Amino acid sequence: AQSVTQLGSHVSVSEGALVLLRCNYSSSVPPYLFWYVQYPNQGLQLLLKYTSAATLVKGINGFEAEFKKSETSFHLTKPSAHMSDAAEYFCAVSRPENTGNQFYFGTGTSLTVIP
Amino acid sequence: GAGVSQTPSNKVTEKGKYVELRCDPISGHTALYWYRQSLGQGPEFLIYFQGTGAADDSGLPNDRFFAVRPEGSVSTLKIQRTERGDSAVYLCASSREGLAQETQYFGPGTRLLVL
Repeated sequence: AQSVTQLGSHVSVSEGALVLLRCNYSSSVPPYLFWYVQYPNQGLQLLLKYTSAATLVKGINGFEAEFKKSETSFHLTKPSAHMSDAAEYFCAVSRPENTGNQFYFGTGTSLTVIP
Repeated sequence: GAGVSQTPSNKVTEKGKYVELRCDPISGHTALYWYRQSLGQGPEFLIYFQGTGAADDSGLPNDRFFAVRPEGSVSTLKIQRTERGDSAVYLCASSREGLAQETQYFGPGTRLLVL
């Protein structure tokens, strides 16, 4: 079965500090991986995705993530946090062999940026 | 162009009532998905349409839930005999062809409260 684990439901960082949000997946076949951000009362917005090309993926707003097959991880990072980064972040996977193509989401990580 | 839109944005109903939630996907997107997001959780898959047909409805929790997409564009999620446990945010997403590596574009959601 497909599952996604996001370690840390709440993460706080100081403005200007490194942001690290963790995502691990369980799958016998490397899946496609996505990070979405959700601002209050808004829909999910794609930050970046891994689709078996380069393992280091760069996204919007200065975020990037690295696919590590040996660690079954796809952690999201940003070198310097901004106040505007405060939001809920979701990691999601889809299975290349699955005709349904549904996304499986983690439980989310709420990021707080302290001024 | 326009993104995914959902109406209503909020719906309050009484236990036992019938509700309809509407999703208008991005024009030209053949794939449409419904997800449900409970408080503090990530979105959970409900149903996937490819064109007019429900290609995967394995996420619908029971037979009180039903969805249609009669012309391959707008979709309606229907919930009969609503229960308090149905309270959640219902999200709609669309993608161009429904391939596993495609970005799913999400609407802002409908917040359903069953009293």
